[in-house]
Amino acid sequence: EVQLVESGGGLVQPGGSLRLSCAASGFTFSDYWMHWVRQAPGKGLVWVSRIKSDGSSITYADSVKGRFTISRDNAKNTVYVQMSSLRVEDTAVYYCARGGRWELRPNWYFDFWGRGTLVTVSS
Amino acid sequence: EIVLTQSPGTLSLSPGERATLSCRASQSVSSSFLAWYQQKPGQAPRLLIYGASSRATGIPDRFSGSGSGTDFTLTISRLEPEDFAVYYCQQYGSSLSTFGPGTKVDIK
Repeated sequence: EVQLVESGGGLVQPGGSLRLSCAASGFTFSDYWMHWVRQAPGKGLVWVSRIKSDGSSITYADSVKGRFTISRDNAKNTVYVQMSSLRVEDTAVYYCARGGRWELRPNWYFDFWGRGTLVTVSS
Repeated sequence: EIVLTQSPGTLSLSPGERATLSCRASQSVSSSFLAWYQQKPGQAPRLLIYGASSRATGIPDRFSGSGSGTDFTLTISRLEPEDFAVYYCQQYGSSLSTFGPGTKVDIK
């Protein structure tokens, strides 16, 4: 059974940093693109970042470029996002989601999602 | 960036009725790379449809998707109580993926 479990969310002050983790199981993690998608309270879904199966290709949404860093450890079946210079508008539930296999295009549908972790940026 | 618009914003229907949700793209979505998700309060989104019309694993056949180019439709043939939720479309045909703002299907 495919499982994605996020952790690391919490309350942080504006300008602060936080690292989120997403532990994967039930599939060959090193074969898949992984993504982060966020959802502000009461709002819709917004794609944040993606990383290729071997970490060789990374892309960010303009809203987080230069502030967020995505990475993965295939030995630990975990994908991370390091968030810095956090803003109030970064407040959201952050989901990790599985994309396509490495040989497919970078953009794909998301067939499995974690339950999300809430990040609150507030003073 | 491809902008997706969903209509209506809210759809009020009774169990057993047919629901028709629309997703319109600001430019053509290549190869019908369009997906639909269902999200219930406090839960993660669940993939329903990919490739505009293919049902994901385990999705009941009352859910169907259609369309191409810039106009796509999700149809729920007969609403079950568990179908009342928010539905999002996503395009993955361009270099960056985008979601629509969602359609809420609530009980009339």
